[in-house]
Amino acid sequence: EIVLTQSPGTLSLSPGERATLSCRASQSVGSNYLGWYQQKPGQAPRLLIYTASSRATGIPDRFSGSGSGTDFTLSISRLEPEDSAVYYCHQYATSPYSFGQGTKLEIK
Amino acid sequence: EVQLVESGGGLVQPGRSLRLSCVASGFTFGDHAMHWVRQAPGKGLEWVSGISWNSGTIDYADSVKGRFTISRDNAKNSLYLQMNSLRVEDTALYYCAKAVLRFLDPFDYWGQGALVTISS
Repeated sequence: EIVLTQSPGTLSLSPGERATLSCRASQSVGSNYLGWYQQKPGQAPRLLIYTASSRATGIPDRFSGSGSGTDFTLSISRLEPEDSAVYYCHQYATSPYSFGQGTKLEIK
Repeated sequence: EVQLVESGGGLVQPGRSLRLSCVASGFTFGDHAMHWVRQAPGKGLEWVSGISWNSGTIDYADSVKGRFTISRDNAKNSLYLQMNSLRVEDTALYYCAKAVLRFLDPFDYWGQGALVTISS
């Protein structure tokens, strides 16, 4: 089973700043089948990024993904108040599929 | 517009059974793999089970293997999760999620979830 570890647990930044969220896998994620989701309170998760760096439909270009193998990053530039949420990474290369424990992003 | 609507959640005692349903609309259901993902109160996301478009590939998390059964009826645009021998630790919001297309694809649409509470 691939274990995903996200850091930091919580990130507190101001509007206009850049956020960098990390996801480290316990073993290489095949074909870079790594996605990122955003979840706001009381809402279902929303797909942001797939195959490590491709933006999902309708996702602003402020959101970008990078990485390969075992180390992946989600970057959010020019932070807006609406970006406040929990962000999860997800590997869908190897069963059982797994999610990271989440990074909570707070906008001051 | 893609819609996924779960139903069948509720409060049941440990050891009992429950069946969740998810009705899909707004896309060709029979073309897509589907999954169940759960979220315990205040916790993160946990993948539960997935099924390919033709039910040829089915898989489960170790935590539910042997107790839960996923199935689908493409004629009814419906996904199901039969949950037996329920445990307190199965308490969670259960989401139905649509794969982009294949079994090995991310989940591009999610329902709003069905709440399952296991308590005596």
